[in-house]
Amino acid sequence: GDSVTQMEGPVTLSEEAFLTINCTYTATGYPSLFWYVQYPGEGLQLLLKATKADDKGSNKGFEATYRKETTSFHLEKGSVQVSDSAVYFCTSSGSARQLTFGSGTQLTVLP
Amino acid sequence: GAGVSQSPRYKVAKRGQDVALRCDPISGHVSLFWYQQALGQGPEFLTYFQNEAQLDKSGLPSDRFFAERPEGSVSTLKIQRTQQEDSAVYLCASSLEGQGYGYTFGSGTRLTVV
Repeated sequence: GDSVTQMEGPVTLSEEAFLTINCTYTATGYPSLFWYVQYPGEGLQLLLKATKADDKGSNKGFEATYRKETTSFHLEKGSVQVSDSAVYFCTSSGSARQLTFGSGTQLTVLP
Repeated sequence: GAGVSQSPRYKVAKRGQDVALRCDPISGHVSLFWYQQALGQGPEFLTYFQNEAQLDKSGLPSDRFFAERPEGSVSTLKIQRTQQEDSAVYLCASSLEGQGYGYTFGSGTRLTVV
C-alpha cells in the first residue's frame, strides 16, 4: 500500500534559520501530495499541496516541490519564525480517497 | 457550522467499557473520514463515508470498532470493550468531495483507557 516516510524529529532551530524537512513517498500511480501542520492545541490544517509532478506548493513562506523521479516532497522555508513551531506531517492521497500520513516532525523555533 | 466539531474533547474509559465519539461535519460536506492518531505518530485511516454509505472500513482495527452516519451528516464512532491499545486521539474530517486538499479536520477526541 501507499506509505510516507519523513525526517524524524524533533528539529530545533533558531529564528531566521533555514528549514528543510525531508519526505519521500511510495504509491501506485500518481498521488497528490500535501503538508499538514498541527499547532499546539489545534486541529490539523492544510499547509500546502501539489497534485502532479513538478508542481510547487507554497504557503506562508513554506514551499515543497513534487519530484516524481526521486519520489520526494521536501518542505522548505528560508527563514523560520517562533510562530512556526508545530508538528508537520507529509501526506499523500492516491486512488483511494483517504490520506496516508508520515509520522510527523516536531519543529521548535527558538527566539 | 463553521468547522468540524467533535465531542467529547477528552474521554477517560475503564478497560472493557464501551465509548461513543461524535463528529459534526461541516454542513453539506458529502465525505466524512475517521482517523486514529497514536501518541507521537501520524493519523491512520479508519473509515470513510460518502453521505450515509460507509464505502471503506478497511482501517478499522477490530470488530470492536463500529462507525455510522445514518442521515448523512453526524457520525458516531463506537468502540466496544475498550482496551489500553485503543488510547489515542480520534480525528474526524469532512470534505465536499473525497480529495485530500478539501479536508477540514476537527480537533479530535483524546481517548484514554485505564
